[in-house]
Amino acid sequence: GQQLNQSPQSMFIQEGEDVSMNCTSSSIFNTWLWYKQDPGEGPVLLIALYKAGELTSNGRLTAQFGITRKDSFLNISASIPSDVGIYFCAGQLSAGANSKLTFGKGITLSVRP
Amino acid sequence: DGGITQSPKYLFRKEGQNVTLSCEQNLNHDAMYWYRQDPGQGLRLIYYSQIVNDFQKGDIAEGYSVSREKKESFPLTVTSAQKNPTAFYLCASSPLRAGGFNEQFFGPGTRLTVL
Repeated sequence: GQQLNQSPQSMFIQEGEDVSMNCTSSSIFNTWLWYKQDPGEGPVLLIALYKAGELTSNGRLTAQFGITRKDSFLNISASIPSDVGIYFCAGQLSAGANSKLTFGKGITLSVRP
Repeated sequence: DGGITQSPKYLFRKEGQNVTLSCEQNLNHDAMYWYRQDPGQGLRLIYYSQIVNDFQKGDIAEGYSVSREKKESFPLTVTSAQKNPTAFYLCASSPLRAGGFNEQFFGPGTRLTVL
């Protein structure tokens, strides 16, 4: 089946630093989504990408839909302590009725004050 | 406020007992989903439903059952046949726009511990 690869499993950065996370797939997706999960809570949607090559920002977050449709990255600029959490990428192949998501295993981000 | 609610937040059960987890949404979304999350793992799809009175198995449906009698509600029953039921369970919903892509929105989760 389809799989999304996120690595490394954990990242440690200093407050104020920028961080970039990658998500890759062996097959194409037509939508890429990035979620953040705080401990003990449900994931929250950060950014959705719908077109190959699309670059979208949401505050200090920027995400891009790879031109090959097999990858996406998320960049967080000027990190702050509340950026701590697990960041998941998710891909969606088809629209409408068969719109299941495939999730990566997530990257746990730690921010040192 | 529109959203997805899951109850309870924490649930403890004895081994061999069935347990039902609640999920309700007032977003008027057509599709609803149940995922299981284990430490260090991504989200694995258990069951999903795109319309009332219809649902499909996901990747790890064995030992679980669902119903979709109302658009707003999609309860998940963890049966005694589930070999390793202790996990964090997440419910999600999404609209189903014709020809469009449909972001999923998640509830706060239920942590089930089987003793």
